[in-house]
Amino acid sequence: DAGVTQSPTHLIKTRGQQVTLRCSPKSGHDTVSWYQQALGQGPQFIFQYYEEEERQRGNFPDRFSGHQFPNYSSELNVNALLLGDSALYLCASSPTRTGWDTGELFFGEGSRLTVL
Amino acid sequence: QQQVKQSPQSLIVQKGGISIINCAYENTAFDYFPWYQQFPGKGPALLIAIRPDVSEKKEGRFTISFNKSAKQFSLHIMDSQPGDSATYFCAASRGNYGQNFVFGPGTRLSVLP
Repeated sequence: DAGVTQSPTHLIKTRGQQVTLRCSPKSGHDTVSWYQQALGQGPQFIFQYYEEEERQRGNFPDRFSGHQFPNYSSELNVNALLLGDSALYLCASSPTRTGWDTGELFFGEGSRLTVL
Repeated sequence: QQQVKQSPQSLIVQKGGISIINCAYENTAFDYFPWYQQFPGKGPALLIAIRPDVSEKKEGRFTISFNKSAKQFSLHIMDSQPGDSATYFCAASRGNYGQNFVFGPGTRLSVLP
């Protein structure tokens, strides 16, 4: 049973560029969340997708957008990249049972973005 | 009010010793408190979690102690092993549609052989 998979694992961009990160959730999971983890810090919640809609959003600007596909996979897009966007971007999936989250998050290994 | 505080920032323990990491929160609406373990180059992995209706939960060498009135919870690692060397994050969330997790800043644990 594959866990949460993310691609690419590493990428380098320059300021002002745009980036798309991809995530496939764990089998049986329909909810996908994205987190940003700066070096030496804890993950920070960006947003969560369920039934192809953004269900909740953290304190991130509109430059950060996402999408969820019918197969539950998800993309994170960041426009107009800034140096401060350099971080590990983590995708996490969770199962939703009878409409309530179980509380468990399963993380992928992340996509390491470096903005020069 | 959304912040989760965590201490210490780093911890060095001898093999066989007890590692203790503490966290505190402000938002009384939080009702799920997990601990995540992260190795370098890997994503965080759920270690153990507790809900506020119990004061303690034990799984193997790992124990969460929860003090609802003080809004504090802690992770105890008994018989610490070099393989436990990792960064540990406490987190908190509110169980409902669209819950998100608030993570602490992390504790880097080193267990010396």
